Order: sequence, then structure tokens, then C-alpha cells
Amino acid sequence: QVQLVQSGAEVKKPGSSVRVSCKASGGTFRTDALTWVRQAPGQGPEWMGGIIPMFGVTNYAHRFQGRLTITADESTNTVYMELRRLGSEDTAIYYCARGVVTVPPVGGYFDFWGQGTLVTVSS
Amino acid sequence: DIQMTQSPSSVSASVGDRVTITCRASQSTSTWLAWYQQKPGKAPKVLIYDASSLQNGVPSRFSGSGSGTDFTLTISNLQPEDFATYYCQHTNSFPTFGGGTKVEIK
Repeated sequence: QVQLVQSGAEVKKPGSSVRVSCKASGGTFRTDALTWVRQAPGQGPEWMGGIIPMFGVTNYAHRFQGRLTITADESTNTVYMELRRLGSEDTAIYYCARGVVTVPPVGGYFDFWGQGTLVTVSS
Repeated sequence: DIQMTQSPSSVSASVGDRVTITCRASQSTSTWLAWYQQKPGKAPKVLIYDASSLQNGVPSRFSGSGSGTDFTLTISNLQPEDFATYYCQHTNSFPTFGGGTKVEIK
């Protein structure tokens, strides 16, 4: 059984950056597609991007290109998501999730999810 | 990016009812489609993938159908634990989700 445990809630100022971690267990970290999905208040989920640690290749949704970085640390089975130049529209719950790849490299659905991390952007 | 549009945005139903939710894609996504259930304060849970395949452990009262641009999630014999919000998601490249359908108690 895959378990994904995320870091705690964050409050950030506009223009700053946030880094959220996700520690994985119970799966095959190196070959799992680990992704980040966010959900703004009252909205549907939004796929942000993902990584397969063994290949070190990342893929990002177009709207986050240039301000999102996803990395993986195989020594600790932890994936990180860093989002820069935060604005109020980035206030959301951020989830890490394991992707089941259907259409390589970035197509898939998500079968295991972390508990979510609330990021609040406020001056 | 492919846009996913769900209807209705909310539906009121009673225990034992049959509920149907539709999802339309802005362009064909073959059968690359998943459905999720989300309860307040929880992460989404996948119910259906590949448009009609039931995820392990999901009750058989949930079923999915469709291909191309039009898809349907049906809940037969609605149970109390089924009152939640449901999302479709295309699973082709660069996944996107629908806006959600809230199933409420009548």
C-alpha cells in the first residue's frame, strides 16, 4: 500500500516561494510517477506536473512553466514541489499523488494521494 | 489543453436513486478518462479509469461509459456514503479535471 505524507501548512507573502515535501513509502519510488495536483477553494483539482525519479525527467503543465520545480531525493524517498513568485491565486491545497501512466510521458490518473498541504498567500 | 465540462453542477437525490453525471471533453480523448469521488477535507479517490474500468475496491454500483468526447458516470442504488463531489479527468497528455458535480441529499 502506497503512503504519501506531506509537510505542514504554509503561509507566504505575495512574490515569495514555497516548498512542499512528500515522503513516499510502500511503493517503488524510483519508477513511480509522482505528481502534484492543487485545488483552490471551491474549485476542481488542477494537475501541475510530475516526475519519475529513476529518469529524473520532469513534466509541467504549461501554465506553471518557469515558476514550478519538482525534484526527487531517492535517498529519502521524498519528492519536493517549489512554486515561485506566489500570488493570491496560488492559495490552495497542494496534493502529491502517485500517477498511473496511461499515455507517456505525462498522461495518467492518480491512485494514491497525500493528505494535502494548505498554502495560503496573503500580505 | 483539453477542457472538461461536467453537468449538472449539482444534483439532489435520495438513497436508492440512480444518479447520472456527464462529462464532455473539448476534443476527443478516446477512452482516456477517469472519475473521482471527493468528500469534504479529503483527497480525491479514483473510482473509474479508462472510461469504464472499476478501480480495485470500488463498489459495483459505480459504472462509467463513453468514448471520444462524451462520458457518463452512473451511481446505481445511491448509498448514504455516496453523497460527495465527483470529478472527471482526462488521462491523456497534460491531464485536466472537470469542475465537479455535487451529489446532495434530497
